[in-house]
Amino acid sequence: DTGVSQNPRHKITKRGQNVTFRCDPISEHNRLYWYRQTLGQGPEFLTYFQNEAQLEKSRLLSDRFSAERPKGSFSTLEIQRTEQGDSAMYLCASSKTDRGGVSSYNSPLHFGNGTRLTVT
Amino acid sequence: SQELEQSPQSLIVQEGKNLTINCTSSKTLYGLYWYKQKYGEGLIFLMMLQKGGEEKSHEKITAKLDEKKQQSSLHITASQPSHAGIYLCGADFDSYGKLTFGQGTILTVHP
Repeated sequence: DTGVSQNPRHKITKRGQNVTFRCDPISEHNRLYWYRQTLGQGPEFLTYFQNEAQLEKSRLLSDRFSAERPKGSFSTLEIQRTEQGDSAMYLCASSKTDRGGVSSYNSPLHFGNGTRLTVT
Repeated sequence: SQELEQSPQSLIVQEGKNLTINCTSSKTLYGLYWYKQKYGEGLIFLMMLQKGGEEKSHEKITAKLDEKKQQSSLHITASQPSHAGIYLCGADFDSYGKLTFGQGTILTVHP
């Protein structure tokens, strides 16, 4: 178990360019979450997957943002036509959820170290 | 998130002092999670509370969830410089595991 891995750690891009971030979750975790965090604020939820299915998207997530988890393992978050307001830390987290039977169990979210995006 | 309020926003203490951080929800929680974050890094899981009245401790950190499951506190005893960082509470409101976070409390511990 090497933890949640995110790449790149830092990305500087010019306004209008597209960027893509990658997240590799803990291997046995079936859920994967994307959050965005700006300075002085807590993380804000963007979207999450259970296996390869995207179950929820925040209203914060504009049409320029798209996330995929094609084989239920790693995930990518793409931002098209970046704007200066997109500058933030993008955090990925994973967890294990078991909702079978009469009870459900959600493990705590384990976070990666994030990708810091700067749009100039 | 206005659904979850943390106080204080920042805290400066002398090494060895005790301190408490509070997290208040506008509605009943399914679960409450405490995390610590160093600047520019990811969140490190500290503790999870799910039952009303529950209390958990790890080393010098104790977290409690009130009976109504709307308020939690994080207490650090005999603080050390290694405790410095940003403490965040995260709420699971619907049992689906997705967390809504407070704005964080910045803790500074002077040696």
